[in-house]
Amino acid sequence: DTGVSQDPRHKITKRGQNVTFRCDPISEHNRLYWYRQTLGQGPEFLTYFQNEAQLEKSRLLSDRFSAERPKGSFSTLEIQRTEQGDSAMYLCASSLQGGTGLGIFGPGTRLTVL
Amino acid sequence: KQEVTQIPAALSVPEGENLVLNCSFTDSAIYNLQWFRQDPGKGLTSLLLIQSSQREQTSGRLNASLDKSSGRSTLYIAASQPGDSATYLCAVLMDSNYQLIWGAGTKLIIKP
Repeated sequence: DTGVSQDPRHKITKRGQNVTFRCDPISEHNRLYWYRQTLGQGPEFLTYFQNEAQLEKSRLLSDRFSAERPKGSFSTLEIQRTEQGDSAMYLCASSLQGGTGLGIFGPGTRLTVL
Repeated sequence: KQEVTQIPAALSVPEGENLVLNCSFTDSAIYNLQWFRQDPGKGLTSLLLIQSSQREQTSGRLNASLDKSSGRSTLYIAASQPGDSATYLCAVLMDSNYQLIWGAGTKLIIKP
């Protein structure tokens, strides 16, 4: 297991298009988190899963955003009708339940909306 | 609402100096505090984790301290090296949920 992976690493899209990102966590980790980071800021929490259940969502996650983790393994984050304000780095992290919340972070997907 | 602040936003020092990065938080009811490193175009790497009951943690040239009552943490880097150049972020994990609340980071440049 080489850690948390994210795909794609970079995505450029036109405003109004839909995009989907994938996160593959460390295999034995049952918790998975999504964060968004804009330039010069710390990451902002978006949502987290315990196994396949989405347990918490930030109010930052508007109706255009949806996240899934269908089998409790990989997760996808979809943004519909992208806006320029969606341009950011989207980070995924995974951890073990009962852990310290430390999490192992993936390299992120950088989204640019033109 | 928890707010995490990091000062300074940027720091440039000559190689070999010892330095301190600061992190402050407004709500002391934290579960733990973590320091991360972020290199340009890369994800986050965990450096040190301090549980709320602990005062400090050390890893190599790094030492992190925690004073919950005053809402402060410091990351001390000894004998800085150019490879230490990165953005350093602190994050607190609250008791009430499993969200990490992040500071905006300190961009550190170590000049050879």
